[in-house]
Amino acid sequence: AQKVTQAQTEISVVEKEDVTLDCVYETRDTTYYLFWYKQPPSGELVFLIRRNSFDEQNEISGRYSWNFQKSTSSFNFTITASQVVDSAVYFCALSSDSSASKIIFGSGTRLSIRP
Amino acid sequence: DGGITQSPKYLFRKEGQNVTLSCEQNLNHDAMYWYRQDPGQGLRLIYYSQIVNDFQKGDIAEGYSVSREKKESFPLTVTSAQKNPTAFYLCASRDRGRYTGELFFGEGSRLTVL
Repeated sequence: AQKVTQAQTEISVVEKEDVTLDCVYETRDTTYYLFWYKQPPSGELVFLIRRNSFDEQNEISGRYSWNFQKSTSSFNFTITASQVVDSAVYFCALSSDSSASKIIFGSGTRLSIRP
Repeated sequence: DGGITQSPKYLFRKEGQNVTLSCEQNLNHDAMYWYRQDPGQGLRLIYYSQIVNDFQKGDIAEGYSVSREKKESFPLTVTSAQKNPTAFYLCASRDRGRYTGELFFGEGSRLTVL
């Protein structure tokens, strides 16, 4: 069975703090892809990153970074020096061989950045 | 600009009425999807289509219907059989056969049943 768990329902931090959003996944496939999406108040989901199961290198993009660890089935997302514009709901998602036509989403983490 | 257009953005319906949500894409993607989002929950897959004239049920297809007569269009009908239709509906697309690819989303349609 495929599953994505985002245990943090809501997080609230003060601007400029660092914050990490957790994502734990389950799959029996050896080849799979993990994604992070951002959903601002407007509602449209915005793609942030895709990572395949064979590439465990961490990735940094500006203030965003992602830590992929197969040993713990986690794909965590860190925002450094958070800003008010980072306030949104963030979703982690999984796609793999056995669910080739689908992307399975976690329940999302609502992030609020206070000025 | 390439993208996905959903309409209407807001829709109100009386109980017992069917309503159709529009989704159009000009990204030349073969695969299209409909998701439902409820407060505090993730996205749940309603229907998806990998090619014209073909579609499959997702996890919560009961009370919904779709058609895929054109590559660009994937309308969703919320029927009176759907017991709790008030929700935010998102349409998405991606390249067919590329499960590695990300989904591209529309801005969503918010349906409220009065």
